[in-house]
Amino acid sequence: DARVTQTPRHKVTEMGQEVTMRCQPILGHNTVFWYRQTMMQGLELLAYFRNRAPLDDSGMPKDRFSAEMPDATLATLKIQPSEPRDSAVYFCASGLAIAGGRNEQFFGPGTRLTVL
Amino acid sequence: AQSVTQLDSQVPVFEEAPVELRCNYSSSVSVYLFWYVQYPNQGLQLLLKYLSGSTLVKGINGFEAEFNKSQTSFHLRKPSVHISDTAEYFCAVSSDSGAGSYQLTFGKGTKLSVIP
Repeated sequence: DARVTQTPRHKVTEMGQEVTMRCQPILGHNTVFWYRQTMMQGLELLAYFRNRAPLDDSGMPKDRFSAEMPDATLATLKIQPSEPRDSAVYFCASGLAIAGGRNEQFFGPGTRLTVL
Repeated sequence: AQSVTQLDSQVPVFEEAPVELRCNYSSSVSVYLFWYVQYPNQGLQLLLKYLSGSTLVKGINGFEAEFNKSQTSFHLRKPSVHISDTAEYFCAVSSDSGAGSYQLTFGKGTKLSVIP
């Protein structure tokens, strides 16, 4: 049963610390998305990649957030330095972009981040 | 640009009663429409999708949705809900950007609470 995995599932850290979240997309998928979910803002798209290349990261605060795909099986989202307002659930999703928007995205279980 | 409006943030309904969750979208191009469900402490999973063809789409767990182009709506319905349907439901829209990449624009979500 292919699924997106994310680690860690929960992270508590102090303000100013670096946080790295990891995502393993479904094997064969060529598109990876990072979302942030909060009560106030709902689901926000932070960044997405196709064939490991960043296509859009306009939703991400550039000064502290960075997203990369070192290889096809790993996507990372890093926050440095972290701030309390970064507390949220971060979701990774993957998909197979064959015919544009016709394809669904498969979501991971999320990383719940708490910054004290 | 595209957007999604879910008119109800919370919908309480008694068990075995019917339910309709409303979704309206705006887009200047042809769209693909999705409903996702999020159970507590989990990621999002696809309920159903409209890509083309019949405007009535059937999904998992007895849910269905109808695409209405003239009213730009994609309302989700279930004739008889169960306690296990208690979750948050997200409507989403995407379009083929023509570049082979795609994004999902999500609504704010509707929390369905099924009352015993």
